[in-house]
Amino acid sequence: QKEVEQNSGPLSVPEGAIASLNCTYSDRGSQSFFWYRQYSGKSPELIMSIYSNGDKEDGRFTAQLNKASQYVSLLIRDSQPSDSATYLCAVGGSQGNLIFGKGTKLSVKP
Amino acid sequence: SAVISQKPSRDICQRGTSLTIQCQVDSQVTMMFWYRQQPGQSLTLIATANQGSEATYESGFVIDKFPISRPNLTFSTLTVSNMSPEDSSIYLCSVSDREHFGSGTRLTVV
Repeated sequence: QKEVEQNSGPLSVPEGAIASLNCTYSDRGSQSFFWYRQYSGKSPELIMSIYSNGDKEDGRFTAQLNKASQYVSLLIRDSQPSDSATYLCAVGGSQGNLIFGKGTKLSVKP
Repeated sequence: SAVISQKPSRDICQRGTSLTIQCQVDSQVTMMFWYRQQPGQSLTLIATANQGSEATYESGFVIDKFPISRPNLTFSTLTVSNMSPEDSSIYLCSVSDREHFGSGTRLTVV
């Protein structure tokens, strides 16, 4: 059974700070990894995907992947109150499906 | 990129009844996926719907409870049968690009 683990939080950071979200996964053969943001009552919104070890940057977001440690993280720089949401880590399944972690609730305080 | 229309957006149903949820995609897709998000929880895959074949169900989900139709490459339905209050959840459809989700159906069973 493939599993994805995240700290449920809540994680609280002040506005302008760096928010660090972490995720581990159980299947060493996993090849694709995703971070989603989900506002209350809304569908998940893809922030970033990452497939190779190392860092991938997109604007204020940086995803980091370490396959040896089976670890994925998401850094949000210059956090804004509008970033307050639940962040879902997901691993890609073999059929195009996703295996989600439980999500980390982030609160950015003005 | 795919646009997914899902309906109904919400419903309140009596226990013992059934509800059919529809997802329409604006392009042809091979795989469609149905997820359940229970209150305060993350997304769990119910089944994979492949056009022309029976849906593949994940452990803990059965066809009698969650029958799925996939009549063509742009449309799928999920029925929640013989509902109980434990079925109160958000149900989402998705496609294999791992980017697009339907807007969700918030189901409350009373």
